[in-house]
Amino acid sequence: GEDVEQSLFLSVREGDSSVINCTYTDSSSTYLYWYKQEPGAGLQLLTYIFSNMDMKQDQRLTVLLNKKDKHLSLRIADTQTGDSAIYFCAESNSNTGKLIFGQGTTLQVKP
Amino acid sequence: NAGVTQTPKFQVLKTGQSMTLQCAQDMNHNSMYWYRQDPGMGLRLIYYSASEGTTDKGEVPNGYNVSRLNKREFSLRLESAAPSQTSVYFCASRLLNTEAFFGQGTRLTVV
Repeated sequence: GEDVEQSLFLSVREGDSSVINCTYTDSSSTYLYWYKQEPGAGLQLLTYIFSNMDMKQDQRLTVLLNKKDKHLSLRIADTQTGDSAIYFCAESNSNTGKLIFGQGTTLQVKP
Repeated sequence: NAGVTQTPKFQVLKTGQSMTLQCAQDMNHNSMYWYRQDPGMGLRLIYYSASEGTTDKGEVPNGYNVSRLNKREFSLRLESAAPSQTSVYFCASRLLNTEAFFGQGTRLTVV
């Protein structure tokens, strides 16, 4: 079955880069997503990558995809205190329509 | 444009009581999802409806039922609530292989 794994916690200093990692199991995944959740709120899409891409850059965000190893990462450059949140990785199976999320990584940014 | 609307926002139930969580979207999305969020467990898929007229089990369906009433509405029912169902419940909707939009969540406590 499908499974998405993430580490639970990451702490960085303001101005440093943050790298959040994710592994997934479903080789039929066509889209992979990164969502952000701020306290007391629902999830909002940060960025996504199609499975035939290796990299996608969007301002301070860089997504890397290693399809062979089923490994996805999100790099946030020049991390700010406002980036403190929970970050979720998700995989989408275009055959079934299933959308599966990981456990979420809590990013703590210290001033 | 309200997006995804969940009701109620908060609910306290006694063990054994039943209730229905309501979700409605006004974006003409085909697919709708119900998740539960627990600390350290991330978002776990309970049930989903890839298109109107279909529903499928997710990762943790036991103790729940769903109804895709029409294209707009997807309800989640707890027939006999248990303390293990204390959680925050999120509804989401999307067009296949696009961004999922989330409601603000329902915080359910079963005592």
